Amino acid sequence: SQKIEQNSEALNIQEGKTATLTCNYTNYSPAYLQWYRQDPGRGPVFLLLIRENEKEKRKERLKVTFDTTLKQSLFHITASQPADSATYLCALVRHGSGNTGKLIFGQGTTLQVKP
Amino acid sequence: SAVISQKPSRDICQRGTSLTIQCQVDSQVTMMFWYRQQPGQSLTLIATANQGSEATYESGFVIDKFPISRPNLTFSTLTVSNMSPEDSSIYLCSVILGTVNTGELFFGEGSRLTVL
Repeated sequence: SQKIEQNSEALNIQEGKTATLTCNYTNYSPAYLQWYRQDPGRGPVFLLLIRENEKEKRKERLKVTFDTTLKQSLFHITASQPADSATYLCALVRHGSGNTGKLIFGQGTTLQVKP
Repeated sequence: SAVISQKPSRDICQRGTSLTIQCQVDSQVTMMFWYRQQPGQSLTLIATANQGSEATYESGFVIDKFPISRPNLTFSTLTVSNMSPEDSSIYLCSVILGTVNTGELFFGEGSRLTVL
């Protein structure tokens, strides 16, 4: 069956450390993969997109890697801050123009950064 | 970016009733989508709201249960019909801006429905 999985257990880290979140998928061939941040009671906010032919993408303190052989994406937040505490969602989009905007989401991983 | 307003932000509804959720965007958008987020679950796409034509529904969702309108490029409604407690969820409107597909989706704040 097709699955996209994120660690459902909350990730607790100390301020200043690097947080690493994992997203694994099976039986999909994604055109690209995205990461979103969701705060309680709010809609998801787009963070980064990485395409199947890209290994790594960076944006400020954020870094995403994409390994299509392992069928895995890693999301890193360096020098983490308490304000980074939120739920992080990965989502993939399958090939095909008809699939634009049709995201398949993981269940999200909650990150808690302690001061 | 886009400002997406959803109404109502939350509601408590009785079993068997219907509720219409509105989504207003501050600019014209090419594509609009409705997602559902059930308690403790991931977001699931309900349908693509097509301007001037019938919505395109994903597997497991039907028009009779979730009728959608999109009369113009800035507005859409989703109705949850004949509600049951299983429909208790957050319903989210999302859009893609412009004609160049950057892949980025903008989401509204969501409408949290509780069905008793």
